[in-house]
Amino acid sequence: AQSVSQHNHHVILSEAASLELGCNYSYGGTVNLFWYVQYPGQHLQLLLKYFSGDPLVKGIKGFEAEFIKSKFSFNLRKPSVQWSDTAEYFCAVNANNQGGKLIFGQGTELSVKP
Amino acid sequence: KAGVTQTPRYLIKTRGQQVTLSCSPISGHRSVSWYQQTPGQGLQFLFEYFSETQRNKGNFPGRFSGRQFSNSRSEMNVSTLELGDSALYLCASSPRGGLGQETQYFGPGTRLLVL
Repeated sequence: AQSVSQHNHHVILSEAASLELGCNYSYGGTVNLFWYVQYPGQHLQLLLKYFSGDPLVKGIKGFEAEFIKSKFSFNLRKPSVQWSDTAEYFCAVNANNQGGKLIFGQGTELSVKP
Repeated sequence: KAGVTQTPRYLIKTRGQQVTLSCSPISGHRSVSWYQQTPGQGLQFLFEYFSETQRNKGNFPGRFSGRQFSNSRSEMNVSTLELGDSALYLCASSPRGGLGQETQYFGPGTRLLVL
């Protein structure tokens, strides 16, 4: 069965620190990859997505992610976090033969100290 | 465009009751998916509807059902509620859904508490 694994459940950083959140998936076919963010009290919002092409994708608010097919990974990065980045981050995978079904990782809670 | 809307936002029910949640997708979107979010299990896919047909289903018991209307609005129903059904139920819409390479846009959710 398909699964998505996020390595860290809770990450605590100081402002200006660099961020990398790990995401690995298990599925051998063609996949579409997403990172969503859920700010406190708000609904899930798309940060970035990868469908095909350049494996390094840039999203909103300075976030980027790199798809490494050989490692089944799609890690999220940001060079310098801000207090406003405090949120829960979800990696999600959609297989091309499964319509709109998204498989989510467990989420990583990011706390940024001012 | 208005985003995905869900009603009601909060619900309190007791065990054994049934509940219906509603979702209105973004105008022009024809695919609606439902997810359950709990602290223990995270976000889990319930089902997806497109053109009034259920196209995909997750691993939930038959007590969970849904439907989609001709205007793409969707409802999900949970019968014989159990304590473990307490969760945030999220609805997401996309233009077509079936081709995979689409972004799903999420609503604010309906928070269901079962007592």
